Amino acid sequence: GQQLNQSPQSMFIQEGEDVSMNCTSSSIFNTWLWYKQDPGEGPVLLIALYKAGELTSNGRLTAQFGITRKDSFLNISASIPSDVGIYFCAGQTQGGSEKLVFGKGTKLTVNP
Amino acid sequence: NAGVTQTPKFQVLKTGQSMTLQCAQDMNHEYMSWYRQDPGMGLRLIHYSVGAGITDQGEVPNGYNVSRSTTEDFPLRLLSAAPSQTSVYFCASSYSARHGYTFGSGTRLTVV
Repeated sequence: GQQLNQSPQSMFIQEGEDVSMNCTSSSIFNTWLWYKQDPGEGPVLLIALYKAGELTSNGRLTAQFGITRKDSFLNISASIPSDVGIYFCAGQTQGGSEKLVFGKGTKLTVNP
Repeated sequence: NAGVTQTPKFQVLKTGQSMTLQCAQDMNHEYMSWYRQDPGMGLRLIHYSVGAGITDQGEVPNGYNVSRSTTEDFPLRLLSAAPSQTSVYFCASSYSARHGYTFGSGTRLTVV
């Protein structure tokens, strides 16, 4: 089946640093989504991307839909302790399937 | 609005026992899915439904059954629990995968 390769698997940063993570696939996706999961909770949607090349921001978060439609990037600026969690990318494949394919996640640790 | 409600939050089963994980949503979403989350494996799709009476298999369906008799409810049944089914299970719903799924807070299942 389709797979999303998410990297890095984990990151340890200092408060105030910027963070970048990405997701790639061998398949073309129509939609890219970025989720955050706090410990003990379900994932929560952060950003949705719908067009190749699209750049969308949500506060300190910025995500981009790659022009090849096979990748996406998430940047977090000026990290704070509450940014700790697992970040997942997810994609909706061509053909209008209502299924989402998820990456394995990037675990972010922020040291105060 | 309660969103997506999962019960129970925690469960311990003995090998061979059966049980049903409950999931209910009050957002009138047509699409519902069950995922399992294991360390380093991300979120893997077990079963999904595109509406009442319609279900289909996901990536890891073996050992699980689902049914969708109403729009609101989407229970997941473990027929004969195995230690390999120890995991955190998430139910999610959506009116369109393109706009992302809303997740419940999860059921942590341990099979001994």
